Amino acid sequence: GAVVSQHPSRVICKSGTSVKIECRSLDFQATTMFWYRQFPKKSLMLMATSNEGSKATYEQGVEKDKFLINHASLTLSTLTVTSAHPEDSSFYICSAKGGISAGNTIYFGEGSWLTVV
Amino acid sequence: DAKTTQPPSMDCAEGRAANLPCNHSTISGNEYVYWYRQIHSQGPQYIIHGLKNNETNEMASLIITEDRKSSTLILPHATLRDTAVYYCIVRVYGGSQGNLIFGKGTKLSVKP
Repeated sequence: GAVVSQHPSRVICKSGTSVKIECRSLDFQATTMFWYRQFPKKSLMLMATSNEGSKATYEQGVEKDKFLINHASLTLSTLTVTSAHPEDSSFYICSAKGGISAGNTIYFGEGSWLTVV
Repeated sequence: DAKTTQPPSMDCAEGRAANLPCNHSTISGNEYVYWYRQIHSQGPQYIIHGLKNNETNEMASLIITEDRKSSTLILPHATLRDTAVYYCIVRVYGGSQGNLIFGKGTKLSVKP
């Protein structure tokens, strides 16, 4: 199957600072990527849809100025958590939609654990 | 996307087949059934998908009823490493958005 890679897998940052998480599709081009957030023992919640070359589409209740998404190329999307607070601590997961050669299937990254102290 | 219903948890003995059911009674004609699983602290892993015919790959088999209102994921010989939360999702194939809406899934525990 297609490979989606996230970096870093774990990050600890201080309150008030910003942290960037990268999502890369390694062997296919993804015009659309998705960012999810998951709290312990809960299901994945879609935060936003990242479209290459245009602005991201955010789900209701997600602050776009706090969670900055950039989809700079067909293989890279980044999520920047700005002015992080302890309540932003969570598991963040990206996914990318493969093209026809990948069966239009959506593949997920390994996830990134963010801890804000 | 249509909503799916899955049992919250299931147990399976190691080496036996694990049969995970999913109800999707409001599925539309152009929606596929997708299965993913999430092992603790990892991103979801794609397993299999299908429209109306039964499908099989190296990981699992997918059985879809003729009326497409329900399906069953079969892991033929479950191992301890198959312990995970399994999600059944319906989605339009190649849809312009294509985002997946996750329910609560089924927590499968494979026991020795």
